[in-house]
Amino acid sequence: QKEVEQDPGPLSVPEGAIVSLNCTYSNSAFQYFMWYRQYSRKGPELLMYTYSSGNKEDGRFTAQVDKSSKYISLFIRDSQPSDSATYLCAMSLNYGGSQGNLIFGKGTKLSVKP
Amino acid sequence: KAGVTQTPRYLIKTRGQQVTLSCSPISGHRSVSWYQQTPGQGLQFLFEYFSETQRNKGNFPGRFSGRQFSNSRSEMNVSTLELGDSALYLCASSDRRGAMNTEAFFGQGTRLTVV
Repeated sequence: QKEVEQDPGPLSVPEGAIVSLNCTYSNSAFQYFMWYRQYSRKGPELLMYTYSSGNKEDGRFTAQVDKSSKYISLFIRDSQPSDSATYLCAMSLNYGGSQGNLIFGKGTKLSVKP
Repeated sequence: KAGVTQTPRYLIKTRGQQVTLSCSPISGHRSVSWYQQTPGQGLQFLFEYFSETQRNKGNFPGRFSGRQFSNSRSEMNVSTLELGDSALYLCASSDRRGAMNTEAFFGQGTRLTVV
């Protein structure tokens, strides 16, 4: 079993839809959870960064972490064609203070149709 | 504030050659991590440097190495290139607050093609 599982999609939605992206993980020691957006031929761009369980909202984006279920989600409200990209979840341990080692899901490719 | 700068953006090398990639982190950031991204394996951690010291290493062969300079710039080197080394190599920059790293910001990557 991989440490982080993410459905690769592709996921296609109409403009204005609510998008739900999810990852599950196996290592209960993960403490930090991130969502990155990656456009084609670009580096990943940090969208959301959360510590431990709970919700975090930033504009149209909401990140949820449920550590008891080892499940994290990213919701995108009022999706736009410009949201079309690959979304990567990432997480890290808290050992020795280093967050250098991020464990990534393989990414979900999202397409928002006008 | 300038972002993470990786050079070169594209590189084509022949099997058996070696290659050096460069990363300049965000000004003030002292931690640099390197990742390999391929369609099959996704993003995989190579190593992390902080204050010129390797702090963490992923599960890659010894052909992959790196270093960090006193100005926090980092280089990674791959020797004896193999076809399977073709990938997007990404550098991530972060800072330290106390004992913890802050959020990681990525560069645009170097696309390496081995022929």
